[in-house]
Amino acid sequence: EDQVTQSPEALRLQEGESSSLNCSYTVSGLRGLFWYRQDPGKGPEFLFTLYSAGEEKEKERLKATLTKKESFLHITAPKPEDSATYLCAVQADDKIIFGKGTRLHILP
Amino acid sequence: GAVVSQHPSRVICKSGTSVKIECRSLDFQATTMFWYRQFPKQSLMLMATSNEGSKATYEQGVEKDKFLINHASLTLSTLTVTSAHPEDSSFYICSARDHGRYAFFGQGTRLTVV
Repeated sequence: EDQVTQSPEALRLQEGESSSLNCSYTVSGLRGLFWYRQDPGKGPEFLFTLYSAGEEKEKERLKATLTKKESFLHITAPKPEDSATYLCAVQADDKIIFGKGTRLHILP
Repeated sequence: GAVVSQHPSRVICKSGTSVKIECRSLDFQATTMFWYRQFPKQSLMLMATSNEGSKATYEQGVEKDKFLINHASLTLSTLTVTSAHPEDSSFYICSARDHGRYAFFGQGTRLTVV
């Protein structure tokens, strides 16, 4: 069964304290792995797509990496405005399957 | 990135009535559209996948007669919640994908059934 698991469920960090969010997946026929940011009451906002193991992408304080079994979203020196839920999704054939997300809270 | 517009953003309806939610891709042709629902503090659950001009494929446990999906054109898909009940209250989000690999999301619709 296709599955996407994110950890931790919730993470509280002090401003400037770097950390990583994990997304492990079990799917057949991976066509892409997506990271999204979601603020309360809003739709997900696209961050990155990764296609193959070893690929890395960066955007401001965020860096996403991909292996054959998992992806990491590294956040460097986060700011309070980075507080949100971060969702990982994988595209397998014509479906996009989401993890449950990591609720990130950055304390000033 | 590409823009997906979802309307309305909020709707309150009486139990037993039907509600239609629209999802439009504004600057690209969406060959595939996805409909999700999200309960508070939970992830997005795929309800159905639709390809333009063909019937939607529903996920297990989703009632196709209750959640009617129409993907009549390459830029518009609609989700109609028929005979809505309070347990249908949720956040509904559409996603559209073009010929490429990216999926872009609408702003979501908060449905409250009273």
